[in-house]
Amino acid sequence: TQLLEQSPQFLSIQEGENLTVYCNSSSVFSSLQWYRQEPGEGPVLLVTVVTGGEVKKLKRLTFQFGDARKDSSLHITAAQPGDTGLYLCAGDDSYQLIWGAGTKLIIKP
Amino acid sequence: NAGVMQNPRHLVRRRGQEARLRCSPMKGHSHVYWYRQLPEEGLKFMVYLQKENIIDESGMPKERFSAEFPKEGPSILRIQQVVRGDSAAYFCASSPGQLNNEKLFFGSGTQLSVL
Repeated sequence: TQLLEQSPQFLSIQEGENLTVYCNSSSVFSSLQWYRQEPGEGPVLLVTVVTGGEVKKLKRLTFQFGDARKDSSLHITAAQPGDTGLYLCAGDDSYQLIWGAGTKLIIKP
Repeated sequence: NAGVMQNPRHLVRRRGQEARLRCSPMKGHSHVYWYRQLPEEGLKFMVYLQKENIIDESGMPKERFSAEFPKEGPSILRIQQVVRGDSAAYFCASSPGQLNNEKLFFGSGTQLSVL
């Protein structure tokens, strides 16, 4: 059974700080997606990483896919209150997505 | 171009009643996925459908749960004789083709509460 573990489960920091959250698996995925979910809403896709070692930037968010395509990280620079939300990673397993349990991020003004 | 539409947003049922959750995919999307999410957890795959066909229902309980995606109209997730453990957020997602490398679009979900 493929599993994705996300850490930390919960993170609360002050506005302006930097942070990194992780998504780890013992399995190889053909691609990995990061989503952000706000309360009462569905997940919204942020980025898809496909190639081992790939780095993608989305404004202050930097996503990295591990060389072996088993793990990924999301780094946020100078976090803002608007970054608050649940960050989910999901691995592509044929036509299913295998989901991590998420990192709940709170950015305090 | 409207996104994935789910209704109702909130559904309250008493134990033993039936729950019907509807999902209209994005225009031009013929692939629909249903997921379930418990508080503080990730999404759990339930079922994958194309028009008039169930492709994979391996994540859906064999009893009481059923899903359909008719030629015309929305996809329906039906839960018969609901129990308290069915309380969860149910999300529908759609894509234009099979999932590989396709972007998945999610609806806002239906929050089911069983009293």
